[in-house]
Amino acid sequence: SAVISQKPSRDICQRGTSLTIQCQVDSQVTMMFWYRQQPGQSLTLIATANQGSEATYESGFVIDKFPISRPNLTFSTLTVSNMSPEDSSIYLCSVNGGWVDEQFFGPGTRLTVL
Amino acid sequence: DQQVKQNSPSLSVQEGRISILNCDYTNSMFDYFLWYKKYPAEGPTFLISISSIKDKNEDGRFTVFLNKSAKHLSLHIVPSQPGDSAVYFCAATPRKGGSEKLVFGKGTKLTVNP
Repeated sequence: SAVISQKPSRDICQRGTSLTIQCQVDSQVTMMFWYRQQPGQSLTLIATANQGSEATYESGFVIDKFPISRPNLTFSTLTVSNMSPEDSSIYLCSVNGGWVDEQFFGPGTRLTVL
Repeated sequence: DQQVKQNSPSLSVQEGRISILNCDYTNSMFDYFLWYKKYPAEGPTFLISISSIKDKNEDGRFTVFLNKSAKHLSLHIVPSQPGDSAVYFCAATPRKGGSEKLVFGKGTKLTVNP
């Protein structure tokens, strides 16, 4: 299994600012995923990040709002830009061990936007 | 449009009894189904899965049943233990391959009372 850490674990931010969330994996992985879980909602995939290429965004999510970096096979960042209270969510990164059963999740970043 | 639905936000059972968590889906392309367990301040962890070619998969105290014609699956935990108290997410995907995205339900919070 993969061990995933995220920073920060939580943050409270002012509207209009941006926050960058870091995801570190203890092994090299090809695909990394970023999810959002809004209060009372399901986990929703934001984008898939492959090393060496642009992230692939899901419908309803755009690069200007959620820029992603994937500089190497063990690290990725997600930035939540120009935040509004509607961005208050838990943001999770996950990696894939090869089969969808083996999708491992980080502990999440709980973001509150005032 | 919610493709994976968990209509019970919460469930409470007594220790030693059976817990039954339900999940319905609408997309007939879904072919592989998973259950994840999530404790507070942790990421979801994979619990058990089932392919559409089966109607039952068992792993210790956990059994998942799939009724493909009804587009319904359920997770049975027998006997329930206080340590099973967590949020359970049902997820679905078109196939088992590692590149497919998971579509999650909103989760059911299970409380097992001693």
